[in-house]
Amino acid sequence: EAGVTQFPSHSVIEKGQTVTLRCDPISGHDNLYWYRRVMGKEIKFLLHFVKESKQDESGMPNNRFLAERTGGTYSTLKVQPAELEDSGVYFCASSQQDRGISPLHFGNGTRLTVT
Amino acid sequence: GESVGLHLPTLSVQEGDNSIINCAYSNSASDYFIWYKQESGKGPQFIIDIRSNMDKRQGQRVTVLLNKTVKHLSLQIAATQPGDSAVYFCAENEDSGYALNFGKGTSLLVTP
Repeated sequence: EAGVTQFPSHSVIEKGQTVTLRCDPISGHDNLYWYRRVMGKEIKFLLHFVKESKQDESGMPNNRFLAERTGGTYSTLKVQPAELEDSGVYFCASSQQDRGISPLHFGNGTRLTVT
Repeated sequence: GESVGLHLPTLSVQEGDNSIINCAYSNSASDYFIWYKQESGKGPQFIIDIRSNMDKRQGQRVTVLLNKTVKHLSLQIAATQPGDSAVYFCAENEDSGYALNFGKGTSLLVTP
């Protein structure tokens, strides 16, 4: 089975610009998560979709971040406008069931650099 | 919120030796624990998980031990191989939550 795929793998943008990250979960996985790791810090939860609905977005840092999952398939995470502190690696993960019943499968991440 | 942390940031072992990576957690409500391995340029890869009603679980060359009394989790890798070199993360969540809480990670370096 194909794994979680993320696009792009790398993105370099200037402060103030907009970037959109895409995640394609494993087929059939209703649960989709976004996480990020900023330099030197832990991997942090951003939000969780069940199908097209946002189940938990408590980890979203501010309103410059917008995640969508129209149709309950792939998801996008848009950062607008980007700030320097947004630099890091953004991971997407998916699972068949939530809350630890089945493990999360992660994509390879998008490395975002804001200059 | 409460955090999950690792005792050592780096661990160097010789090929063929056993490795033990430790993790402490503080949330007494945590009921699910998981270990991930992350190689350079890749996302975290699932290794093994354990629920709080167990204290030990074994996989292929890996064993996870859970001590709920002292809130400690460990990952044991038997006969460590060069391909085991990576960063290892422990993570946990509690029954009421959806988000995994990750530790900072331990870098494992396997030397020949």
